[in-house]
Amino acid sequence: KNQVEQSPQSLIILEGKNCTLQCNYTVSPFSNLRWYKQDTGRGPVSLTIMTFSENTKSNGRYTATLDADTKQSSLHITASQLSDSASYICVAKNNAGNMLTFGGGTRLMVKP
Amino acid sequence: EAGVTQFPSHSVIEKGQTVTLRCDPISGHDNLYWYRRVMGKEIKFLLHFVKESKQDESGMPNNRFLAERTGGTYSTLKVQPAELEDSGVYFCASSQDLRSTDTQYFGPGTRLTVL
Repeated sequence: KNQVEQSPQSLIILEGKNCTLQCNYTVSPFSNLRWYKQDTGRGPVSLTIMTFSENTKSNGRYTATLDADTKQSSLHITASQLSDSASYICVAKNNAGNMLTFGGGTRLMVKP
Repeated sequence: EAGVTQFPSHSVIEKGQTVTLRCDPISGHDNLYWYRRVMGKEIKFLLHFVKESKQDESGMPNNRFLAERTGGTYSTLKVQPAELEDSGVYFCASSQDLRSTDTQYFGPGTRLTVL
């Protein structure tokens, strides 16, 4: 069964601090791993997409890592800003069709 | 460029009624997807259109749900009759082609409440 697990469920950090969100996936056959940011009341917005051959990808202050052997990914946010407050969703795609499997998300709150 | 739009943003209906959700994808995107998030759960895939054809409808929960994309442009998702467990946020997404790394662009969602 395709599954994506994320931790922590929620996180509170102070503005300017760094944080790392975790994702474990069991999707087969694996195609790629995506991180999305979802602001309250809005749809998810793509941050990064990594295939099995990529082990790191950055998008501004967001850096995602992927270990296809252990089926783990992380999203590191550097020098957090208040606007980073959102849910971050890890999504895995398999090679059989275009279906995405979503994790439950990590709700991040950045406080001043 | 306009993004994916969805209508309505909110809908409150009574059990047994019918509701139709609409999605307008980004212009030129052949692929259109429906997803939903029920309370406390992760977002789950419902179905995928390529132009006007249903490519994959394996996520549709039951035959009370009917999705259409006549003409290959906008899509509608009808729930008839609605049940309490259908409450949730329904997202639509679109993408340009079928590359494995193609980005899916999501709409803001329709929040459906069934009383």
